[in-house]
Amino acid sequence: DTGVSQNPRHKITKRGQNVTFRCDPISEHNRLYWYRQTLGQGPEFLTYFQNEAQLEKSRLLSDRFSAERPKGSFSTLEIQRTEQGDSAMYLCASSLAATAYEQYFGPGTRLTVT
Amino acid sequence: AQKVTQAQTEISVVEKEDVTLDCVYETRDTTYYLFWYKQPPSGELVFLIRRNSFDEQNEISGRYSWNFQKSTSSFNFTITASQVVDSAVYFCALSGLNYGGATNKLIFGTGTLLAVQP
Repeated sequence: DTGVSQNPRHKITKRGQNVTFRCDPISEHNRLYWYRQTLGQGPEFLTYFQNEAQLEKSRLLSDRFSAERPKGSFSTLEIQRTEQGDSAMYLCASSLAATAYEQYFGPGTRLTVT
Repeated sequence: AQKVTQAQTEISVVEKEDVTLDCVYETRDTTYYLFWYKQPPSGELVFLIRRNSFDEQNEISGRYSWNFQKSTSSFNFTITASQVVDSAVYFCALSGLNYGGATNKLIFGTGTLLAVQP
C-alpha cells in the first residue's frame, strides 16, 4: 500500500449537477478526514470518520454535502446541486487513531463548476 | 478558538541561503499538537514534523530545524542552505486531542510560498 488515493483527480461539472468523489485511505488507518482547499488558502476541515462513524462535521459542510464510509474503508463525498463556489481542491487524509498520529494526505480531487 | 497565523505570504531566496518560516498559533487547549506540511507544485501535502505541547526541545532533521516556543506561541521552521527543490508552499497546522487521545482535525495557516532561485 503506497498511500492515500483519490478519484477522480479532476472533475469539471456544470452548475446544478451532482458529483461524487472517492477516497481510499492507507489500509491500516481507521481515521479518515475530508478537507477543502481554495486557491491561496490552507486546507479547511470538512468532516472525519473513525471507522464507519462520522464523528464531526464542519459548519462549512452544508446540506448539499454528504460523506459516507460504509464499511470503514473507502469514503465518498457527494455534492448535490453544485454551485460555482464549490470549485476547490478536495483533499482526503487518513491516520491511525490509537495515539496521536500525523495525517497523510492524498493528491486531491480538483473540482471546477462552470 | 484555535487559529494559526503565517504572516509571511511569500519569501524569495537565492540557493544556499538560510530561510525561516514563521508560525504563530492560538489555542485554549493545554495539550495540542503542531505540524508542518510541504505542498510542492504537484499539489500533494507532505508531512514534515509533529510536535506535542509538552516537548519544547528544538528538532533538527538534515537541513530542516524547528524552534517551538510555548511562551510566544510560535513554531518556526528553518531551512539551512536552501535548494531549488525546497520551493513549495509550507503550511503550519494545529490540532487538539479528543476521543481517547488521537489528534482530530487540523487547523491550517494560510501558508508561505517559498521560492528558491538558482
